[in-house]
Amino acid sequence: EIQLQESGPGLVKPSQSLSLTCSVTGCTITSGYDWSWIRKFPGNKMEWMGYITYSGSTNYNPSLKSRISITRDTSKNQFFLQLNSVTTEDTATYYCARYNNYYFDYWGQGVMVTVSS
Amino acid sequence: DIQMTQSPSSLPASLGERVTIICRASQGISNNLNWYQQKPDGTIKPLISYTSNLQSGVPSSFSGSRSGTDYSLTISSLEPEDFAMYYCQQDASFPPTFGGGTTLELK
Repeated sequence: EIQLQESGPGLVKPSQSLSLTCSVTGCTITSGYDWSWIRKFPGNKMEWMGYITYSGSTNYNPSLKSRISITRDTSKNQFFLQLNSVTTEDTATYYCARYNNYYFDYWGQGVMVTVSS
Repeated sequence: DIQMTQSPSSLPASLGERVTIICRASQGISNNLNWYQQKPDGTIKPLISYTSNLQSGVPSSFSGSRSGTDYSLTISSLEPEDFAMYYCQQDASFPPTFGGGTTLELK
């Protein structure tokens, strides 16, 4: 069974960096899929943030391009999100998800991150 | 970015009722439209891909269709577990974008 699990701090101070981990089981992240980060804001808007491919290349939402970095550790079958210079507008629930050609077929449970001093 | 306008944002309904949620894209998306369900515990799962392809394990009471520029998710007879949040998502153009969500709530 494929499972994704997000982890990371639930509280980040403004201007600092947000760092999250997605741990994947049941499928290796080098196996031909792309691995995304998606967030849901209070008020329900959802935003795709970016992905890292099975080969390690990345693609980001242009709205975040200057602040976001997605990396991976293939030995641990994990991928990571770093979002720099956060503001209160980055308060959201963050999800990792597997992208299967044209839709997101497996999602993590989500981790709520609050940006506050 | 393609804007996805989803309606209604809130949908009160009764058990056994037939309901429809609609998404309209700001430009053509050629059936590249997916539907997701988010449960109150935050769990998200895909329901329908490419307008009308029902995902494995999803009840046949769910269906997806297209009429012109409107993409619809229909639940033919509501069960208790269907009361949740629903999102559409387009995959025709980069970046992928989501509709604003529909909360399906018990009337």
